[in-house]
Amino acid sequence: NAGVTQTPKFRVLKTGQSMTLLCAQDMNHEYMYWYRQDPGMGLRLIHYSVGEGTTAKGEVPDGYNVSRLKKQNFLLGLESAAPSQTSVYFCASSTGGETQYFGPGTRLLVL
Amino acid sequence: AQRVTQPEKLLSVFKGAPVELKCNYSYSGSPELFWYVQYSRQRLQLLLRHISRESIKGFTADLNKGETSFHLKKPFAQEEDSAMYYCARSGTYKYIFGTGTRLKVLA
Repeated sequence: NAGVTQTPKFRVLKTGQSMTLLCAQDMNHEYMYWYRQDPGMGLRLIHYSVGEGTTAKGEVPDGYNVSRLKKQNFLLGLESAAPSQTSVYFCASSTGGETQYFGPGTRLLVL
Repeated sequence: AQRVTQPEKLLSVFKGAPVELKCNYSYSGSPELFWYVQYSRQRLQLLLRHISRESIKGFTADLNKGETSFHLKKPFAQEEDSAMYYCARSGTYKYIFGTGTRLKVLA
């Protein structure tokens, strides 16, 4: 079992560029989440999904889009990156109300 | 709004000293409370959850509904406990995290 994996591990973007972060889980979890982690701000929920084909906004959704076409994958997209999106992004999955399992994180630097 | 408050950004203690990381949550129904730990440059992992009432790595946490608190405690800190600690509560379909407390255990 790989658990929760994230691709890529690190990326540098220029302002205005787009990219997609991929999260995959092999635990058959229904719920998946995208967070960003910033110093002094803790973990903030960007978007989440309660099942294949569903997505919902979290606390800080602006500038991001997500898709959950397959149960095991949850994609986070940045259409036009901004320096304020420099952060560490974590994906997580769970069975709902239970323990969350986190990925290793993606460090994104937007210049 | 559902909230989780961790009042200390940084807590420094000497090795062997007791540790208490504070967490307060906003009352709403019967939430499930968690403590997650993140060691340097690693992913977050569950440390403990109130429903299991376990002691993990010497840490315990008691849910106090009257004070809406879920403080994390350890009687004798070790250097390997140095990490970032997050308190979290369950909400409708999602979780609310506190801003985290960095624990530094000094030799």
